[in-house]
Amino acid sequence: KQEVTQIPAALSVPEGENLVLNCSFTDSAIYNLQWFRQDPGKGLTSLLLIQSSQREQTSGRLNASLDKSSGRSTLYIAASQPGDSATYLCAVRPGAGNNRKLIWGLGTSLAVNP
Amino acid sequence: NAGVTQTPKFQVLKTGQSMTLQCAQDMNHEYMSWYRQDPGMGLRLIHYSVGAGITDQGEVPNGYNVSRSTTEDFPLRLLSAAPSQTSVYFCASSYSEGRHEKLFFGSGTQLSVL
Repeated sequence: KQEVTQIPAALSVPEGENLVLNCSFTDSAIYNLQWFRQDPGKGLTSLLLIQSSQREQTSGRLNASLDKSSGRSTLYIAASQPGDSATYLCAVRPGAGNNRKLIWGLGTSLAVNP
Repeated sequence: NAGVTQTPKFQVLKTGQSMTLQCAQDMNHEYMSWYRQDPGMGLRLIHYSVGAGITDQGEVPNGYNVSRSTTEDFPLRLLSAAPSQTSVYFCASSYSEGRHEKLFFGSGTQLSVL
């Protein structure tokens, strides 16, 4: 059974710091992996999607990497800002691609302090 | 573009009451889903639909009904509310084009069952 784990559960950093959020999964047979951001009291916003055949994706100050063989993905945030404070979740889409159900991690709560 | 619209934002019910959480999307997405989010348990899939007239159960379907009479609307019905259904509920829609997909979430409904 696929399980997704995110460590740490919470992270607090000073503004300007580069940081890495981690996501691990137990079954390497994935279709894709996605990173989302959730602001308090709001829904989730899709940040990056990495296909199983890709190693990384970039959007602005965000870079997500994928290592299927080791069951890990990282989300790198460069030059963090207070506006980056949110909970970051990763989700794995398992298997052959017809299964659109996602398996979710519990998230990392990030606080960027001015 | 409104995206995914959920109503109401907040609701308090008494045990045994019934209600419907509304979800509408204006992006012509085929796939829609309902999640609940609970502390320490992450996002769990309740029901999903791959198109009008087609629905299926997710991880935690008991106590909930759905229907999909149109592409736009995917209401979630609580037949007889129980305190265990106190949670934050999110509706999502997504498109999939080949290996590219993106998930859009509503802003959530915070439900308390007393």
